Amino acid sequence: NAGVTQTPKFQVLKTGQSMTLQCAQDMNHNSMYWYRQDPGMGLRLIYYSASEGTTDKGEVPNGYNVSRLNKREFSLRLESAAPSQTSVYFCASTQGAVFANQPQHFGDGTRLSIL
Amino acid sequence: RKEVEQDPGPFNVPEGATVAFNCTYSNSASQSFFWYRQDCRKEPKLLMSVYSSGNEDGRFTAQLNRASQYISLLIRDSKLSDSATYLCVVNKRDSSYKLIFGSGTRLLVRP
Repeated sequence: NAGVTQTPKFQVLKTGQSMTLQCAQDMNHNSMYWYRQDPGMGLRLIYYSASEGTTDKGEVPNGYNVSRLNKREFSLRLESAAPSQTSVYFCASTQGAVFANQPQHFGDGTRLSIL
Repeated sequence: RKEVEQDPGPFNVPEGATVAFNCTYSNSASQSFFWYRQDCRKEPKLLMSVYSSGNEDGRFTAQLNRASQYISLLIRDSKLSDSATYLCVVNKRDSSYKLIFGSGTRLLVRP
């Protein structure tokens, strides 16, 4: 059982380049999330999705777009990467309603560096 | 002031020691509470939920103090494998994004 799978695991971009981070879960979970984690700070929510076809902004959405094309997949896109977006990105999912009192299952992260 | 605050540590303890971490939260509307564990360069994983009456899971005990707005995690008989960062997570009720992560407390257990 793979759980939550993120690709790529590492990426280096130049300022202004674009890329999409992929996330897929095989647990039939309804809710999915994208976080970023920076040194000395807690995980911060970028976007979340309560169900297929719906997305909502989190705490730090600027500079990002997301897409929930189906129940399994939730992608995060950087249209024009900036050095401030250098971070570790985690995708997560939960079985029930978004932010319900349930454990979040995380992927193993994408380490992104913007030069 | 951060919504969820933790002492970053590190807490450096010998094997077998008992260690406790606190986490304070600012929003009294917070509803549910969790402790996650994160190993170096790995993803967070749920350690335990925190219930109003307090709860225990083996060597780990979690407590909630709503009056003082903090939660605690007690680890007894520390093992080398307990070395990790422990994240406090608070689910509050009155915001469009509701799950707030603390920045974590680092624990180092030495032989």
